[in-house]
Amino acid sequence: SQQGEEDPQALSIQEGENATMNCSYKTSINNLQWYRQNSGRGLVHLILIRSNEREKHSGRLRVTLDTSKKSSSLLITASRAADTASYFCATERDTGRRALTFGSGTRLQVQP
Amino acid sequence: EPEVTQTPSHQVTQMGQEVILRCVPISNHLYFYWYRQILGQKVEFLVSFYNNEISEKSEIFDDQFSVERPDGSNFTLKIRSTKLEDSAMYFCASSFYSYNEQFFGPGTRLTVL
Repeated sequence: SQQGEEDPQALSIQEGENATMNCSYKTSINNLQWYRQNSGRGLVHLILIRSNEREKHSGRLRVTLDTSKKSSSLLITASRAADTASYFCATERDTGRRALTFGSGTRLQVQP
Repeated sequence: EPEVTQTPSHQVTQMGQEVILRCVPISNHLYFYWYRQILGQKVEFLVSFYNNEISEKSEIFDDQFSVERPDGSNFTLKIRSTKLEDSAMYFCASSFYSYNEQFFGPGTRLTVL
C-alpha cells in the first residue's frame, strides 16, 4: 500500500456507535496527523501524534500509533450525525522533509 | 481562534492565463505550505516556505509555479500559464514550527477552462 492508506474506504454507522478508521504507512515518520474534510470543504486538523507516543486523546477522539506495524487508528466514540465527513491520515517523514503525505481517506457516514 | 484564510474561494480562468491564489497564514506561524487536491484524488504537497525562501518542493511544483510572501501577512501561489490539469482545490497551510500541526485554510477551487 502507499504511504498513508486508510481503511476502510467507507464506513456507515448509526449515531451513538463508535467509528474506527485505520491508517497504514511505509516509511519512518516523525509524526502522524489526522484531518477531517466535509464534502468540498477545507481540512480540519484533529490530532497529531508523534512517533514516540503510543496513544493520544482529544475529546471523543482517540488515536493510537504503532510504529512497529507502521499503523495508526482513529476512534470516534459516541458518533454524531455531524461527524459525517472524510477522514485522512497524513504522515510527516523523519527525513527532515516537512511535507505531509496524505492517504486516500475514509468516508464516514453517521446515520441519525 | 486564529485560522488560515484564502481568497478567492473559487477562481475560474482560461487555459494559458496566469492566476494568483492568496493566503493569510496564522500570524505567528513560521512555515507555510501549498497543497492541492484534484477532484476525487489525494491531497498532494506542492511546496513549503520558510524564512522567505522555498525549503522544499514536489515534482508537481515546476517552473509554472511560484510562491511569494510579498508582505508580513500574505502568502501567494502563482501559476504562470494554467493548464486544464491544474484544475483542483488549492490549500494553503501554516505551522508554527516544523514537526508541528499544519493548519489548513478553506481552499481555493481553481477551474481552468
